[in-house]
Amino acid sequence: GENVEQHPSTLSVQEGDSAVIKCTYSDSASNYFPWYKQELGKRPQLIIDIRSNVGEKKDQRIAVTLNKTAKHFSLHITETQPEDSAVYFCAASMDTGRRALTFGSGTRLQVQP
Amino acid sequence: GAVVSQHPSRVICKSGTSVKIECRSLDFQATTMFWYRQFPKQSLMLMATSNEGSKATYEQGVEKDKFLINHASLTLSTLTVTSAHPEDSSFYICSARRPGSTEAFFGQGTRLTVV
Repeated sequence: GENVEQHPSTLSVQEGDSAVIKCTYSDSASNYFPWYKQELGKRPQLIIDIRSNVGEKKDQRIAVTLNKTAKHFSLHITETQPEDSAVYFCAASMDTGRRALTFGSGTRLQVQP
Repeated sequence: GAVVSQHPSRVICKSGTSVKIECRSLDFQATTMFWYRQFPKQSLMLMATSNEGSKATYEQGVEKDKFLINHASLTLSTLTVTSAHPEDSSFYICSARRPGSTEAFFGQGTRLTVV
């Protein structure tokens, strides 16, 4: 089955700086890679996703890059704000509704004002 | 957008009792739903895949007789934690993907505390 590894486990940045979180996956059949933000006690919220036919996707301050050959993808947050503080999870799966997402271990991002 | 609703959001039960958690897809039919468990400061771990009209598929290490899953309709899956013990205390979250869409939608989660 799929195995997703995520680094770092914790990340502290100053407000306005950039934050980068990296993930690797093992199953070459995976072709859908979402990123979630989760606040304490709440459901994960999708912040951006990418499919394997695309190398990069950007949405305002958030971008995701995918290297299919190396089987890794990264989340980039620019101009970080205190409200970006949360736990971020990467995930991978096949692009079908019958397959579950496999999650990374999570990154606790702390943005210092 | 699509919404998945989970109930209850919080439950406290005594050891040895059973607890049922409901997961509903509100505006689409979900032939497949997924149940995850999340311990404090850990990731979401898939417990089982719930299939409408057939048996659920359980992940390795998840006891099917303890975590009963029923997916009797295209909009409702239930997870029953039987003979609950304190070690079953966790955050349980369901998920479904709308047909034709890759995005996964999550329920609000259920915080189960077994005392």
